[in-house]
Amino acid sequence: GENVEQHPSTLSVQEGDSAVIKCTYSDSASNYFPWYKQELGKGPQLIIDIRSNVGEKKDQRIAVTLNKTAKHFSLHITETQPEDSAVYFCASAFEGDTGRRALTFGSGTRLQVQP
Amino acid sequence: GAVVSQHPSWVICKSGTSVKIECRSLDFQATTMFWYRQFPKQSLMLMATSNEGSKATYEQGVEKDKFLINHASLTLSTLTVTSAHPEDSSFYICSAVAVSDTQYFGPGTRLTVL
Repeated sequence: GENVEQHPSTLSVQEGDSAVIKCTYSDSASNYFPWYKQELGKGPQLIIDIRSNVGEKKDQRIAVTLNKTAKHFSLHITETQPEDSAVYFCASAFEGDTGRRALTFGSGTRLQVQP
Repeated sequence: GAVVSQHPSWVICKSGTSVKIECRSLDFQATTMFWYRQFPKQSLMLMATSNEGSKATYEQGVEKDKFLINHASLTLSTLTVTSAHPEDSSFYICSAVAVSDTQYFGPGTRLTVL
């Protein structure tokens, strides 16, 4: 089955700096890669996703890049703010004609933005 | 946007009792819902896939007789933890898949078994 590895497990940055979180996946059939933000005691919230037909996607301060050949994808947050502090999870899944299989999650990265 | 609710948000029960957790998609229909379990400071682990009108598909190592899943309608799935024990204490999270295939998560239910 699919295995997703995520690094680093914790990340501390100064407010205004950039943060990068990296994930690798094992199943070359995976073609959907979402990122989730989870605050304490809450469910994960989708912040951005990318499909394998594109290499990069950006939404304001958040961007995701995908390297299919190397089977890794990254989350980039620029101009970080204290409210960005949370646990971030990457995930992968296969989307086919019959829909999407269940997500496989990475281990999570605890991001702390120091004011 | 799409909203998924869970009820209750937290529950404390005695060992040996059963607990039911509801997952509802409030403004969209979901033929597929997933149930996850999350231990403190760990990732989400898929427990089962719930399809409306059919039996749930359980992941390896998840006891189907202990974690009963019912997906009775396109907006409601329930997870019942039967004969709960302290080791079942965890954060249970559901998600619902919209027509766009985007998966929306509920806020989670914290179960504590005494």
